[in-house]
Amino acid sequence: AQTVTQSQPEMSVQEAETVTLSCTYDTSESNYYLFWYKQPPSRQMILVIRQEAYKQQNATENRFSVNFQKAAKSFSLKISDSQLGDTAMYFCAFMPYNNAGGTSYGKLTFGQGTILTVHP
Amino acid sequence: DARVTQTPRHKVTEMGQEVTMRCQPILGHNTVFWYRQTMMQGLELLAYFRNRAPLDDSGMPKDRFSAEMPDATLATLKIQPSEPRDSAVYFCASGFVSKQSRGGGLVTEAFFGQGTRLTVV
Repeated sequence: AQTVTQSQPEMSVQEAETVTLSCTYDTSESNYYLFWYKQPPSRQMILVIRQEAYKQQNATENRFSVNFQKAAKSFSLKISDSQLGDTAMYFCAFMPYNNAGGTSYGKLTFGQGTILTVHP
Repeated sequence: DARVTQTPRHKVTEMGQEVTMRCQPILGHNTVFWYRQTMMQGLELLAYFRNRAPLDDSGMPKDRFSAEMPDATLATLKIQPSEPRDSAVYFCASGFVSKQSRGGGLVTEAFFGQGTRLTVV
């Protein structure tokens, strides 16, 4: 079974500063995807960034980047130049896939979430 | 603009009543997820389907909850009878997941609907 852990229930940051959200996961799978989703007060779940485990290069999307450490099973999200609109709940998620199949194939599991508040 | 559509957006019902939530996944997606979000438990996976077949519903209370996909354009989540502890936001999400013959897979991210806020009084 896969587990995803986000150890920071809440974080805060000043506008324009940088913040890093932590995520660790536990799995015996070798092929998987990792995702960060954002949920603003509107409650709509929005994909922020994704990482394929077989790619060593860390994914980047504008102000958002990840630090993917496969051996340590760590997947942190860095938000640079924080903006007020970044205020939201952030979820880390894990999805395994492999040719052996099984019920875990393509199963998307989320961490508990981190509430991020950006202050002006 | 492809999106996952959930109905209703809000539902208030009395304890003991049946509740049915509906989801229209994005056309072409072969995987559908149902999640429940509460303050205490976060995002819990209730059930998920691939090509309309249920793969895992271990997160769902079997005595009162049921999930089905009557066809590729409709997924339903039913609660009968409903209880106050079922009050939560229920999300449906869809995506595409397939195996590739030389290893690895083709995976899209999960696209979420706007959720159904259920209140059982």
